[in-house]
Amino acid sequence: DAKTTQPPSMDCAEGRAANLPCNHSTISGNEYVYWYRQIHSQGPQYIIHGLKNNETNEMASLIITEDRKSSTLILPHATLRDTAVYYCIVGDNFNKFYFGSGTKLNVKP
Amino acid sequence: DAGVIQSPRHEVTEMGQEVTLRCKPISGHNSLFWYRQTMMRGLELLIYFNNNVPIDDSGMPEDRFSAKMPNASFSTLKIQPSEPRDSAVYFCASSPANRDIQYFGAGTRLSVL
Repeated sequence: DAKTTQPPSMDCAEGRAANLPCNHSTISGNEYVYWYRQIHSQGPQYIIHGLKNNETNEMASLIITEDRKSSTLILPHATLRDTAVYYCIVGDNFNKFYFGSGTKLNVKP
Repeated sequence: DAGVIQSPRHEVTEMGQEVTLRCKPISGHNSLFWYRQTMMRGLELLIYFNNNVPIDDSGMPEDRFSAKMPNASFSTLKIQPSEPRDSAVYFCASSPANRDIQYFGAGTRLSVL
């Protein structure tokens, strides 16, 4: 049921930018792109979301392509505490989220 | 705000017993979600409520599972009778409005022996 495709894992050096890609080629016009992360044994945590325009908050930046078929989550300066599974989700009108397998980000010292 | 509160954090029970998981959503939120997470199937949406009314329970695995939301500040997920394959982490989340951010609780780790 997942509407997104993400690489299963990625590595990133501490202090460097982490760029996590996501494909959502079947996204419809009223669906938002949400990013969550799950640190081991904790509940998923909201990071950022967007519809068409690029978004930035204190945690990350979200870049959505013009055709909205893909997006990239950017953690500008990754730390060891950013090691987690990152989920890219496309949300419908009723907020019915389908969590796929996500990307396991390993931040290394 | 204390966030979404789930209890118990851990539950160990024997096959055939009734299990009740509890959730207190964030005050003022009008949507509530129950998820189940396993290694095999990942994070699955079981059911969600809007203004205390069940909107979609298509993710509930079978009749042994039931969920209620008697008021805006409390919800339960009941499994009766429980089976070993129900072992998982169950998360509750709440949201202030449709198409908005979901805030997750810390989860209940259920082990059915």
